[in-house]
Amino acid sequence: QVQLVESGGGLVKPGGSLRLSCAASGFTFSDYYMSWIRQAPGKGLEWVSYISSRASTIYHADSVKGRFTISRDNAKNLMDLQMNSLRAEDTAVYYCVRMRGYHLDVWGQGTTVTVSS
Amino acid sequence: QSALTQPASVSGSPGQSITISCTGTSSDVGSFNLVSWYQQHPDKAPKLIIYEVTNRPSGVSNRFSGSKSGDTASLTISGLQAEDEADYYCCSYAGSSSVVFGGGTKLTVL
Repeated sequence: QVQLVESGGGLVKPGGSLRLSCAASGFTFSDYYMSWIRQAPGKGLEWVSYISSRASTIYHADSVKGRFTISRDNAKNLMDLQMNSLRAEDTAVYYCVRMRGYHLDVWGQGTTVTVSS
Repeated sequence: QSALTQPASVSGSPGQSITISCTGTSSDVGSFNLVSWYQQHPDKAPKLIIYEVTNRPSGVSNRFSGSKSGDTASLTISGLQAEDEADYYCCSYAGSSSVVFGGGTKLTVL
C-alpha cells in the first residue's frame, strides 16, 4: 500500500541542526512532487517546503528560507529535510506528504521536532 | 503570504448541514481553482477531502462538497455525523510557487 514514513525527529538546542527523512513505498516515487508540512503544538498547518519530481523546482516558505534545505533521492525513494539554525518556533510535528497538483493526497504519520535548551 | 481566513469554530447537530468558509484574496483563492480541504482528527495526520475546489477523492463521503465564489471558498458537510467532529483546513495555491493554508476550523457536533 502507499506509505510514507518519517524519521529523524527529536530534541535539539536552539541554533542546532537536524535532518529529517521520509521513506516512500507503494507508488512510483519519482513521478510525484513531495512536501514537508509542519504543525506547531495546538496550531494550524504550515507548508514548509516542496520539491518537484526531478528536483528541478524547490520551494521553501519564507519562515525557513536560508535555514532549511529539501532534497530527494529517487533511486532510494527518499526525501530529506536538512534543518539548520533551528529556533524555538520550529518546534512542530513534521509531516512528509505526497503532492498531486497543489493538493496533498498522502500523508505520513509525522515526526516531532522539539527545539529547546 | 498571509494565511487564509477561516472561522475558528462551527457547530451543528447530527443530521444538519454546516458550511465552513475560507476567505483569501484575488492573489490566491480568487485567481486559481486550486483550493483543497483537509480533515484532521485529534492526534492524527490530516486527510484530503476536497481538491481543486469541488473534487472528492475516491472513498470520501459525498456528504462533503466544496465550492468557490470570488475570493471565498466553502466546504459544506451535509447530514452531520458524530465522526465529522474534527479540525478542517483549507489550502490554496497563491502564485509564484507558493501555497497557503487557512488557520483551521474546529467543528463540534452537538
